[in-house]
Amino acid sequence: EVQLVESGGGLVQPGGSLKLSCAASGFTFSGSAMHWVRQASGKGLEWVGRIRNKANDYATTYGASVKGRFAISRDDSKNTAYLQMNSLKTEDTAVYYCTCGDYDFFDYWGQGTLVTVSS
Amino acid sequence: DIVMTQSPDSLAVSLGERATINCKSSQSVLYSSNNKNYLAWYQHKPGQPPKLLIYWASTRESGVPDRFSGSGSGTDFTLTISSLQAEDVAVYYCQQYYTYLTFGGGTKVEI
Repeated sequence: EVQLVESGGGLVQPGGSLKLSCAASGFTFSGSAMHWVRQASGKGLEWVGRIRNKANDYATTYGASVKGRFAISRDDSKNTAYLQMNSLKTEDTAVYYCTCGDYDFFDYWGQGTLVTVSS
Repeated sequence: DIVMTQSPDSLAVSLGERATINCKSSQSVLYSSNNKNYLAWYQHKPGQPPKLLIYWASTRESGVPDRFSGSGSGTDFTLTISSLQAEDVAVYYCQQYYTYLTFGGGTKVEI
């Protein structure tokens, strides 16, 4: 059974940093691209970014609203993906989901972790 | 970036009736080399992660009831729920994966 478990969410002040983790099991993590998607309260889904697998040089791509502030990484030995969030803004407040699929649509999702950016 | 525009923003449908949700992309998401539309649909209920319903515009995900169907090509797509059930109350999103990834704004389906 595929499982994605996010952790690391919480309250952070504007301008601060936070690192989310996504622990994966039940599939070949090393072969999969991993994505982060977020949803602010009352808003729609927003794609945050993606990290590809080793065969694709661990290439990363980001959405415009987070580019230059967020960084996605992975540790295939731990079956874990990460989302490092820097220079956080109040508008980054959202539930952050880890997700993946065979292509760039998403068969599997974690339950999400809430990030609140507030002073 | 490709902008995905969904309509309507919300709709109320009687139990057993048809629900139709539209999604329009700002440029074609049809990849000519394989004739595939890079378009997916998701169902999102409060407190749960989104659930994949349809990919390649019309391929139903395993386990998804056959009352859900996707159609369209190029820039115009439709998700149809042929006979609405109570458990279908949710927000529905389209997503393009032709270049980068973008979601539509969502359509809330109510009874």
